[in-house]
Amino acid sequence: EVQLLESGGDLVQPGGSLRLSCAASGFTFSSYAMTWVRQAPGKGLEWVSGISGSGGTTYYVDSVKGRFTISRDNSKNTLHLQMNSLRAEDTAIYYCAKDLQGTTPDQFDCWGQGTLVTVSS
Amino acid sequence: QSALTQPASVSGSPGQSITISCTGTSNDVGTHNSVSWYQQHPGKAPKLMVYDVTNRPSGVSNRFSGSKSGNTASLTISGLQAEDEADYYCSSFTNFRTVLFGGGTKLTVL
Repeated sequence: EVQLLESGGDLVQPGGSLRLSCAASGFTFSSYAMTWVRQAPGKGLEWVSGISGSGGTTYYVDSVKGRFTISRDNSKNTLHLQMNSLRAEDTAIYYCAKDLQGTTPDQFDCWGQGTLVTVSS
Repeated sequence: QSALTQPASVSGSPGQSITISCTGTSNDVGTHNSVSWYQQHPGKAPKLMVYDVTNRPSGVSNRFSGSKSGNTASLTISGLQAEDEADYYCSSFTNFRTVLFGGGTKLTVL
């Protein structure tokens, strides 16, 4: 059974940093692109960042470029999102998701339960 | 890039059919077949219902079907059931190598 378990969400002050992790199991992790999607309270889904199976190609939404860094450790089946210079508008539940077909992170067939990031003073 | 455009809400009675539209541009829906639909119940993670415009993952009811014409994709749910009441989101890969989601549609089963 495919499982994704996020961790690392917390309350952080504006300008602060946070590192999210997603532990994957039940599939060949290195064969699939992975992605982070966020959902602000009461709002819709927003794609944040994606990474190829090898980790060699990364993708970002414009609003987080230069502030967030996606990475993966295929030896530990773990996905990460390093979040710097956090803003109030980054407050959201962050989901990690597995790509359906493995290559470009564009369609997502398995999602974690999410981890809450709150940016507030 | 702006979110794909979906109606804020749709409703239907049990047994009826409804269609949710998702309008993008030639940079996303109009060009790419990586168009998918997700169902999200309150407090839950999204669930993939349709991928590659028309395909259903294993385990998804055949009451859910997808289509696309030009820059607009559509999700049709036939034989509405109470359990279908949820938020629905479309998404598309884009020419900018990003993924865009729609704003979401709240489906109410009357």
